[in-house]
Amino acid sequence: GEDVEQSLFLSVREGDSSVINCTYTDSSSTYLYWYKQEPGAGLQLLTYIFSNMDMKQDQRLTVLLNKKDKHLSLRIADTQTGDSAIYFCAESGGTGTYKYIFGTGTRLKVLA
Amino acid sequence: GAVVSQHPSRVICKSGTSVKIECRSLDFQATTMFWYRQFPKQSLMLMATSNEGSKATYEQGVEKDKFLINHASLTLSTLTVTSAHPEDSSFYICSAGGSGGFRDEQFFGPGTRLTVL
Repeated sequence: GEDVEQSLFLSVREGDSSVINCTYTDSSSTYLYWYKQEPGAGLQLLTYIFSNMDMKQDQRLTVLLNKKDKHLSLRIADTQTGDSAIYFCAESGGTGTYKYIFGTGTRLKVLA
Repeated sequence: GAVVSQHPSRVICKSGTSVKIECRSLDFQATTMFWYRQFPKQSLMLMATSNEGSKATYEQGVEKDKFLINHASLTLSTLTVTSAHPEDSSFYICSAGGSGGFRDEQFFGPGTRLTVL
């Protein structure tokens, strides 16, 4: 079945850039997403990218999509302590339905 | 974006009782709602997809008689955990789609933490 993988942990210093990576297996995915989850809270949509795009930038966030390698990344510029959270990538459309397949999540820790 | 609420946000119950969780789309009509389950430090696992007025479609391995889903209106879906046991303790998150945004767009509720004693 479909699979979405992420590295489990990332630690960066405040002010540095963070890059969170995600790989997926379904080449027919239509949309790819990045969500943020703080402890005990629900999901916050950060950004999404349509599969025919290579890059999307939104303020401090840059999403890169390499469709050939099925690789998605999220770059957070000038990372702040408030960015500490779990980040999930997700994909949809690949199964012909609107279902989301979530990645395993990356725990980002920002050191002051 | 559209707003989805869940109620209750937290619930503690005794083993063997049933618990109902509500998911509401507050400012749009949701033709499709999704129920997810998240264990501590793990990802979200889709449990079922429900379309208004029809039976829910359950993912493989999810017991439909254990997790009853009702999507009686375009703004409300309910998940009932029947005869709950400690292993059902989890964070349950719903999402709603069909807001008129891009095709696959889902809006997520804040989640319900269920603890079964």
